[in-house]
Amino acid sequence: DVKVTQSSRYLVKRTGEKVFLECVQDMDHENMFWYRQDPGLGLRLIYFSYDVKMKEKGDIPEGYSVSREKKERFSLILESASTNQTSMYLCASLSRTGNEQYFGPGTRLTVT
Amino acid sequence: GQNIDQPTEMTATEGAIVQINCTYQTSGFNGLFWYQQHAGEAPTFLSYNVLDGLEEKGRFSSFLSRSKGYSYLLLKELQMKDSASYLCAVRDTGGFKTIFGAGTRLFVKA
Repeated sequence: DVKVTQSSRYLVKRTGEKVFLECVQDMDHENMFWYRQDPGLGLRLIYFSYDVKMKEKGDIPEGYSVSREKKERFSLILESASTNQTSMYLCASLSRTGNEQYFGPGTRLTVT
Repeated sequence: GQNIDQPTEMTATEGAIVQINCTYQTSGFNGLFWYQQHAGEAPTFLSYNVLDGLEEKGRFSSFLSRSKGYSYLLLKELQMKDSASYLCAVRDTGGFKTIFGAGTRLFVKA
């Protein structure tokens, strides 16, 4: 079974802090994604990566950056956390056939 | 623009059949997905349609009409554990970017 893990289930940070969210997948998938999920808005794509050191902006990249130094690990960075970044963050990796995204359990981030 | 519409909430009775509709307007199309998401959990994959027609998988079926920009997810023999949100998502052409709808919360009552 594919496994996608995220470093924390719950996280509380202060405004202005630098925040790192880590995601690891164990199936050697090339494509990985970071989404945020907010009530009534669905999942919105922040960034995705199609290979090591390769990244592309999604629909809402402002205030975020990413790092993909190893194939299995895709990190989301909030350079200076703000209260409007309080959200559920979901990482996903894409199967080799491209037909299925596997999601991690999510990180519920609260910025106070 | 990119838009995916699905009802916000639906209620159905245990043992019944429910159909969740999804309409989409996207600049490209390279497949439509349905995911199930229980409260507080990650979405899990249910189905993938890229050609017109019906795909059946156990109690769940998914239908696609590309010309109409329309899909539905059909759930048969509803069980209480089917109470969840159902997400419709469309993949854009030429890449792996996927656009998600806001989801439909399904309540199954006894």
